[in-house]
Amino acid sequence: GDSVTQMEGPVTLSEEAFLTINCTYTATGYPSLFWYVQYPGEGLQLLLKATKADDKGSNKGFEATYRKETTSFHLEKGSVQVSDSAVYFCALSDGTGNQFYFGTGTSLTVIP
Amino acid sequence: DAGITQSPRHKVTETGTPVTLRCHQTENHRYMYWYRQDPGHGLRLIHYSYGVKDTDKGEVSDGYSVSRSKTEDFLLTLESATSSQTSVYFCAISPGQNQETQYFGPGTRLLVL
Repeated sequence: GDSVTQMEGPVTLSEEAFLTINCTYTATGYPSLFWYVQYPGEGLQLLLKATKADDKGSNKGFEATYRKETTSFHLEKGSVQVSDSAVYFCALSDGTGNQFYFGTGTSLTVIP
Repeated sequence: DAGITQSPRHKVTETGTPVTLRCHQTENHRYMYWYRQDPGHGLRLIHYSYGVKDTDKGEVSDGYSVSRSKTEDFLLTLESATSSQTSVYFCAISPGQNQETQYFGPGTRLLVL
């Protein structure tokens, strides 16, 4: 069945460092891909999404490109800030709107 | 922010007791979902609803039931709570097919002793 695999954490970076969080997926059909962010004590918030191959989602300096050939949707940011400290989830929608599949989450801590 | 509230926000209960969690939305979205979040597992879908009285099972539905008698409310019931159901429960809503983004509530932290 459909699934998402994302890199294990936790990840600790210094402020202004480059961030990559890897995400790969397995899916039948034509899924949409998402990155969600969860700040401590809160629910998940949509960070960005891409609905078809080669689409690039972007928001708040974060980017991810839907790569069908490598079944990947890696999250990147050129210069992280302390306020980016959170847990990041990669997710896949099976295209019907009925089923979402989430990765296990990657905890990011950015130190000044 | 999407208008989603969950109640209660925190609950402690004993094994064998029934528990009902409520999700309420003000967006009039068709789809509503219940997830549980556990360390090492991310979010796992328990049940979802695609309309009033229309529900279906997710990945981890055993031990849970749901009901949706109004568009705005989606209830999750643990008929007889077990310690394995200690978790953080999130409700999510979505406009529906072809508008797949899900919007999440703040979560309910449940401890079953």
